[in-house]
Amino acid sequence: GEDVEQSLFLSVREGDSSVINCTYTDSSSTYLYWYKQEPGAGLQLLTYIFSNMDMKQDQRLTVLLNKKDKHLSLRIADTQTGDSAIYFCAESGLLNEKLTFGTGTRLTIIP
Amino acid sequence: GAVVSQHPSRVICKSGTSVKIECRSLDFQATTMFWYRQFPKQSLMLMATSNEGSKATYEQGVEKDKFLINHASLTLSTLTVTSAHPEDSSFYICSARGKGRAGADVHFGNGTRLTVT
Repeated sequence: GEDVEQSLFLSVREGDSSVINCTYTDSSSTYLYWYKQEPGAGLQLLTYIFSNMDMKQDQRLTVLLNKKDKHLSLRIADTQTGDSAIYFCAESGLLNEKLTFGTGTRLTIIP
Repeated sequence: GAVVSQHPSRVICKSGTSVKIECRSLDFQATTMFWYRQFPKQSLMLMATSNEGSKATYEQGVEKDKFLINHASLTLSTLTVTSAHPEDSSFYICSARGKGRAGADVHFGNGTRLTVT
């Protein structure tokens, strides 16, 4: 079955860039997503990328996709305290609507 | 933007009772809804997928008689945890995809924290 892996923790100084990495195994993945979850809350879709794209940028967020290596990353520029959360990557197929989530990366901001 | 409302946000119930969780799409018609379970400090695990007007498809290992899912309309799906036990305590999250929407267009509710005493 599909497998999505992330490192569990990342600490970054306020103002620096955060890079959260994700690897997946399903070569038929069509959409790759990044979600943010704050404590006790649901998931907020930050951005997604279609598998035929290499990069997508949206304000402070940059997503890079290396389809050959099945590697996805999320870069948050100028990290702020409000960015503290758990970040999940997820993948889905074109017709298979269910999402497979990674283990989540807890981002901690150091003042 | 599309909004998914999930209620209640928090519920405490006694062991042996049943609890119903509602998931509503407020401004779009949700042909497909998904129910996830999240254990503390863990990822989301898909429990079942429900399509409006048909029976839910459960993931392997999920007891369909214990976790009853009803998707009777295009804006409402419910998850009922029957005869709840303390091990059912968890964070339950629903998500919904709109009719005719592209694969990426999935919206999540804010989750329900269930505590069974």
